[in-house]
Amino acid sequence: AQKITQTQPGMFVQEKEAVTLDCTYDTSDQSYGLFWYKQPSSGEMIFLIYQGSYDEQNATEGRYSLNFQKARKSANLVISASQLGDSAMYFCAMREAGMDSSYKLIFGSGTRLLVRP
Amino acid sequence: GAGVSQSPSNKVTEKGKDVELRCDPISGHTALYWYRQSLGQGLEFLIYFQGNSAPDKSGLPSDRFSAERTGGSVSTLTIQRTQQEDSAVYLCASSRGVGSGKETQYFGPGTRLLVL
Repeated sequence: AQKITQTQPGMFVQEKEAVTLDCTYDTSDQSYGLFWYKQPSSGEMIFLIYQGSYDEQNATEGRYSLNFQKARKSANLVISASQLGDSAMYFCAMREAGMDSSYKLIFGSGTRLLVRP
Repeated sequence: GAGVSQSPSNKVTEKGKDVELRCDPISGHTALYWYRQSLGQGLEFLIYFQGNSAPDKSGLPSDRFSAERTGGSVSTLTIQRTQQEDSAVYLCASSRGVGSGKETQYFGPGTRLLVL
């Protein structure tokens, strides 16, 4: 069965510093997608970044980058120059090949990030 | 353009009552997903729609849960005879389709359901 593991329940980072949120995954599929979402206290899930299993380069979106190490099955999120507004819950997710080509997501348990001023 | 919208944003109901939750996806998105987020279970997939059909209902927890989608757009998730364990945030997401380049799912704000 496919699985996502986030081993850091909570993390602190100083404003303006970089932080890495860990994510490891387990799958036997050759084709898969990895996602990171941010969930602030308001509750909405905000898409941050996507990495396809066949993408040779690490994905980047502004201050977000995904450190994709396929052999290690890890997909860590790096946030550069942290801002107070980055304080939120962060979820790693993997697109699972479900029934009839369903591209449903399975989620990790999340990491709560707190940015200190 | 507008994002995914859900209504109501909050719902309090009594045990045994039926509830309907609504999702309006991003215009043009053919794939629609329902998820549930609860303290004990984290984020769980419930059901997937492609157009009006639901080829993957594998996440529905019991036959009290059902969903439909009409006109390839709005979807309704219905919970019959609600139980206290149904209390959770119900999230809807949509994507342009399935397959590389179209699969990113965008989420609505959720419906917070509390069953007393």
